[in-house]
Amino acid sequence: GQQVMQIPQYQHVQEGEDFTTYCNSSTTLSNIQWYKQRPGGHPVFLIQLVKSGEVKKQKRLTFQFGEAKKNSSLHITATQTTDVGTYFCAGEGNTPLVFGKGTRLSVIA
Amino acid sequence: NAGVTQTPKFQVLKTGQSMTLQCAQDMNHEYMSWYRQDPGMGLRLIHYSVGAGITDQGEVPNGYNVSRSTTEDFPLRLLSAAPSQTSVYFCASSLAGGSSYNEQFFGPGTRLTVL
Repeated sequence: GQQVMQIPQYQHVQEGEDFTTYCNSSTTLSNIQWYKQRPGGHPVFLIQLVKSGEVKKQKRLTFQFGEAKKNSSLHITATQTTDVGTYFCAGEGNTPLVFGKGTRLSVIA
Repeated sequence: NAGVTQTPKFQVLKTGQSMTLQCAQDMNHEYMSWYRQDPGMGLRLIHYSVGAGITDQGEVPNGYNVSRSTTEDFPLRLLSAAPSQTSVYFCASSLAGGSSYNEQFFGPGTRLTVL
């Protein structure tokens, strides 16, 4: 079945450093979504990408969808302590939404 | 709008007991789903529904039943609880599945422990 791999599993950064998490699917996706989950909380939707090669920005966050629609990345510029949490990608193809295992980001002030 | 609500927030069961986790949404969403979250495993789909009266299995359906008699409610039943079902359970809803815009709205979760 469809698999979505996400790396790295953990990332520790100093406040102000950049952060990137990568997502790869075993199959071509119709769309990919990104979610953030704060410790003890529930996943919260960040964005959905649909088009091949699409790039979207939300303030310090930049999201990309690969040309082949099989990979995606989330880049955070100049991390802040409020960015702490786990970031999940979720891909939809010929199956319902499949989540990656997430990247847990910790930010050292 | 209350969004997606789940009850209970916490539950402790003994092996073999049955129970129902409740999920309701007031956004008139057609698509609802149940996930379980285990440490290091991400979110795994248990069951989902594309509308009232229609349900289907996800990645990890064994030991769970669902029904969707109304658009608003999507309860998850544990038939005979096992320690392997200890997890955090999230219910989610969205306008639709497929390639249309389908932001998932998650409930606050139910933390279940099976002894």
